[in-house]
Amino acid sequence: EDQVTQSPEALRLQEGESSSLNCSYTVSGLRGLFWYRQDPGKGPEFLFTLYSAGEEKEKERLKATLTKKESFLHITAPKPEDSATYLCAVQESSGGYQKVTFGTGTKLQVIP
Amino acid sequence: DTEVTQTPKHLVMGMTNKKSLKCEQHMGHRAMYWYKQKAKKPPELMFVYSYEKLSINESVPSRFSPECPNSSLLNLHLHALQPEDSALYLCASSWDHNQPQHFGDGTRLSIL
Repeated sequence: EDQVTQSPEALRLQEGESSSLNCSYTVSGLRGLFWYRQDPGKGPEFLFTLYSAGEEKEKERLKATLTKKESFLHITAPKPEDSATYLCAVQESSGGYQKVTFGTGTKLQVIP
Repeated sequence: DTEVTQTPKHLVMGMTNKKSLKCEQHMGHRAMYWYKQKAKKPPELMFVYSYEKLSINESVPSRFSPECPNSSLLNLHLHALQPEDSALYLCASSWDHNQPQHFGDGTRLSIL
């Protein structure tokens, strides 16, 4: 069964303390891996798309990387406003509609 | 503010009521989605519309009935819901199936 697993489930950082979130996946043919940020009571906000191993994307304090089995979201010198739940989602190539499967998320809290 | 607009933001209904959730996007996206999200869980796909035609129904009970009147609008008709149907219902859209999905902020549904 295809799976998307995120770790850790929760992460508490001091402001300025860099760290990484992990998204591991087991799908037969990856078409794309997406990172989203979700604030409480809001819908997920799109951050990055990664399509092939070795690809990297950056936006402000966030950098996403992709290997054949996992993706990392690196957060450099985080600020309290980076506190949110970070979701990864994997799109698989299996003919017809390419379903997107979400991981369970990492809840990040950045303490001032 | 998101470019996918969902109304209402909150809805409380009894198990015998009929109500509808609405979603609108004006980005020219040709794929639209309904998701259900329970607290502290990732979004779960319910329905996918592609070019205004239903392409995916993830074995959703018939008390949920989707409708896509045109390329910008997506409705979810609700009837005879159960308390366990209480959740955040998210609408999303994308250019195509392998493109990032853009989410609305959802409708918080409570079934009494």
